[in-house]
Amino acid sequence: DGGITQSPKYLFRKEGQNVTLSCEQNLNHDAMYWYRQDPGQGLRLIYYSQIVNDFQKGDIAEGYSVSREKKESFPLTVTSAQKNPTAFYLCASRFQGANYGYTFGSGTRLTVV
Amino acid sequence: RKEVEQDPGPFNVPEGATVAFNCTYSNSASQSFFWYRQDCRKEPKLLMSVYSSGNEDGRFTAQLNRASQYISLLIRDSKLSDSATYLCVVSTGSARQLTFGSGTQLTVLP
Repeated sequence: DGGITQSPKYLFRKEGQNVTLSCEQNLNHDAMYWYRQDPGQGLRLIYYSQIVNDFQKGDIAEGYSVSREKKESFPLTVTSAQKNPTAFYLCASRFQGANYGYTFGSGTRLTVV
Repeated sequence: RKEVEQDPGPFNVPEGATVAFNCTYSNSASQSFFWYRQDCRKEPKLLMSVYSSGNEDGRFTAQLNRASQYISLLIRDSKLSDSATYLCVVSTGSARQLTFGSGTQLTVLP
């Protein structure tokens, strides 16, 4: 079955450590996105990529980095520079084009301990 | 001002009730409009797209007023399974980035 997979589902990180969240899709989608959700708030865009080897900053990119070496994969690294990383992280993908909807992964819940 | 604003909620309604959610957006260049549903601690799932002509999917009706930059969702004959947070979402930009409202929580009571 086609879909978008995020791993791990839960992640605990010590302060000062970098961690990488995985996002893989087998939908042959062109564009991929990373969002962050804090309790009681909507999702906010961190980074997005429309094609391989290219990506753009979203609204809250500081303290995060991404890569897009393969069409299927868009990992997100939460660096130690991110001041408040505890949140629910969601990856999404879609075909390019006006009316294609997003498919979301099931999310990674990151907690800094 | 937030780019996408929704009713603050929460809405607690009895089974069978009709409930309406409203949403306004600030970017007049927004291209596409959606309602997503999010269950507790889960990912958002597309409920329906919203078109200027209005559209209906079973018990759900969505309306868009581009002139007023206003989106609505009507749920008729509420079921217990409709309990969730409803997110108003607009897409903008060349990459069709989604901007989310903060959501309205609905609880349907037996």
